[in-house]
Amino acid sequence: AQTVTQSQPEMSVQEAETVTLSCTYDTSESNYYLFWYKQPPSRQMILVIRQEAYKQQNATENRFSVNFQKAAKSFSLKISDSQLGDTAMYFCAFMKHLNTGTASKLTFGTGTRLQVTL
Amino acid sequence: ETGVTQSPTHLIKTRGQQVTLRCSSQSGHNTVSWYQQALGQGPQFIFQYYREEENGRGNFPPRFSGLQFPNYSSELNVNALELDDSALYLCASSSGGPDTQYFGPGTRLTVL
Repeated sequence: AQTVTQSQPEMSVQEAETVTLSCTYDTSESNYYLFWYKQPPSRQMILVIRQEAYKQQNATENRFSVNFQKAAKSFSLKISDSQLGDTAMYFCAFMKHLNTGTASKLTFGTGTRLQVTL
Repeated sequence: ETGVTQSPTHLIKTRGQQVTLRCSSQSGHNTVSWYQQALGQGPQFIFQYYREEENGRGNFPPRFSGLQFPNYSSELNVNALELDDSALYLCASSSGGPDTQYFGPGTRLTVL
């Protein structure tokens, strides 16, 4: 079974600064997918970024980028130029590569609460 | 393009009752997954439906059941409600396989 660990329950960053959220995972799979989702107080889970394990290049989406270290099973999220709207819970999630007919299940960590302050 | 929608937003039930939660998938998606998120926790996978068939299930008892309809919308049914069933229930739709799952706003269920 896969496990996802987020060791930082809470973090705080000032507006315009950079912050990095940590995530480690445990799996015996060689091909899989990793995600970061954010969940603001409105509760809706919103995709931030996705990484395919077979791709060596780190994914980026505007101010969001990841540092994917496959050998270390580490998948951290960097938020640059933090904005007040980035305040949310951030969840790291794992999905293993699928065989036909199997469910594409997401396994989530326990989340990191990020507060962006003025 | 319409996103994933869920109804109702909030629900209060008593122990032993039954509840049905509904989810409409995003246009073009044929796969719906359901997750339970207890307070302060990450979501836990309940089950997934692909083209009206359950194709995977997490560690949840049989009193959690579901349906998917020809238009790919879905229902989650929970029988014999227990206090521990109080949680946020999230529905996610996708095009199947490893495609990204897009979540709805959730239904907050409180069991008294």
